[in-house]
Amino acid sequence: GAGVSQSPSNKVTEKGKDVELRCDPISGHTALYWYRQSLGQGLEFLIYFQGNSAPDKSGLPSDRFSAERTGGSVSTLTIQRTQQEDSAVYLCASSLESSFYGYTFGSGTRLTVV
Amino acid sequence: GNSVTQMEGPVTLSEEAFLTINCTYTATGYPSLFWYVQYPGEGLQLLLKATKADDKGSNKGFEATYRKETTSFHLEKGSVQVSDSAVYFCALSMDTGRRALTFGSGTRLQVQP
Repeated sequence: GAGVSQSPSNKVTEKGKDVELRCDPISGHTALYWYRQSLGQGLEFLIYFQGNSAPDKSGLPSDRFSAERTGGSVSTLTIQRTQQEDSAVYLCASSLESSFYGYTFGSGTRLTVV
Repeated sequence: GNSVTQMEGPVTLSEEAFLTINCTYTATGYPSLFWYVQYPGEGLQLLLKATKADDKGSNKGFEATYRKETTSFHLEKGSVQVSDSAVYFCALSMDTGRRALTFGSGTRLQVQP
C-alpha cells in the first residue's frame, strides 16, 4: 500500500479483555517496529521484526504483550488481560531494512481501557 | 542507556516568530539524530536528520545541527507559521543492532496568528 495502515484507529475495551491491533506495512518493507505513546510521554519501543529473523521483543513491558508477523508482512500486537495503564496510542512503523533513514509511521491505534 | 531530553511544552509563539526547541542526548557511541513531527490526528513524519557530528539537517525551513561537544540537536526555524503547530519529537538511533529510535517526550508548539 501507499502507507502504513493500522486498524482499528480507536479501540475501547473493558479491563481484563484481550485486544488485537493490526499493522499493514508498506509493501516490500522488511523491517517493522511497534511503539507505544502514552499521554504526555514520548514513544516507547516495544518490538522489532526484521525479515525472517527472530523478533527483538526486549521492549515489551510484560508477558501480557505479544506480537507476530505473518509472511513477513502484516503484524498483530496482542494485549491480554488489558489493564488501565495499557491505555495509549500504539504506533507501527516500517522501513526497507533495519535503517533509521526511512521509517514510515502509521497513524496509530488509540487504545482506551475502561 | 541511551536517552533524549527535550524542553517541556507547550511552546506558544506568534506567527513569524523565531523558534528554538532544545534537545540534548546521552548515548554510548555516535548516534544518528532526528526530528519527527506529529500534526494533529496524523502519524509521525520525519522532519530532518543528521548522521554525524557537525551535520546540519534541514527541511521546510527547519534546521538542526548535530553538536557532539554539547550532545545537542536543537531545532530552529526563523519564522514560524500557524501550520507549524504540532508536536515535535527529538530522537536518536544507534547504527547497530535493531536500530530502534529512542524518543524524547515531545514538545507541543502552538503558533497563534
